[in-house]
Amino acid sequence: AQTVTQSQPEMSVQEAETVTLSCTYDTSESDYYLFWYKQPPSRQMILVIRQEAYKQQNATENRFSVNFQKAAKSFSLKISDSQLGDAAMYFCAYPTGANSKLTFGKGITLSVRP
Amino acid sequence: EAQVTQNPRYLITVTGKKLTVTCSQNMNHEYMSWYRQDPGLGLRQIYYSMNVEVTDKGDVPEGYKVSRKEKRNFPLILESPSPNQTSLYFCASSLWVAGGPRELFFGEGSRLTVL
Repeated sequence: AQTVTQSQPEMSVQEAETVTLSCTYDTSESDYYLFWYKQPPSRQMILVIRQEAYKQQNATENRFSVNFQKAAKSFSLKISDSQLGDAAMYFCAYPTGANSKLTFGKGITLSVRP
Repeated sequence: EAQVTQNPRYLITVTGKKLTVTCSQNMNHEYMSWYRQDPGLGLRQIYYSMNVEVTDKGDVPEGYKVSRKEKRNFPLILESPSPNQTSLYFCASSLWVAGGPRELFFGEGSRLTVL
């Protein structure tokens, strides 16, 4: 079965520090997208960053960047200069079922200490 | 404004009383999907649709029905709700490309409680 694993259910980071959230997945496809979504207490699902698997370059969006290792099927999210507003649950997701749907991990709850 | 709108946002109902959660998107997306979110389980896909009149089961379809008669609408129907369907439900839509959904846009969620 195709799965996505977020092994750390909770993480904590000091404000202004850097934190990395890990995600591994399993797919036999060669061309796909990978996603990190953020869910703050409002419950809204917000796209943080998207990585295209055929691109070697890691995606970056302001303070958010990914470390994408295709051969290892690893897709971690790095948050630099953490802010209080980064406190949320973070989900990684990737396509399964021959790219017909997105499968989400169970999520990581990130807390930010002032 | 590009958005996915789902209603109702909150609903308390009783076992066996049929209900429909509506979902509408204004982005002309081919792909639409329903997810449910439960503590410790993340988001699990219920049904998805890759275009009008094309729907397929996700990972947890039991007890749910969907239809896609128009491109913009994708209602979720609970014919006979049971307490184990108490959950937070999300509708989402996306453009469709060869590598899968281009980016899922989510509605604000519908909190359903079945007594």
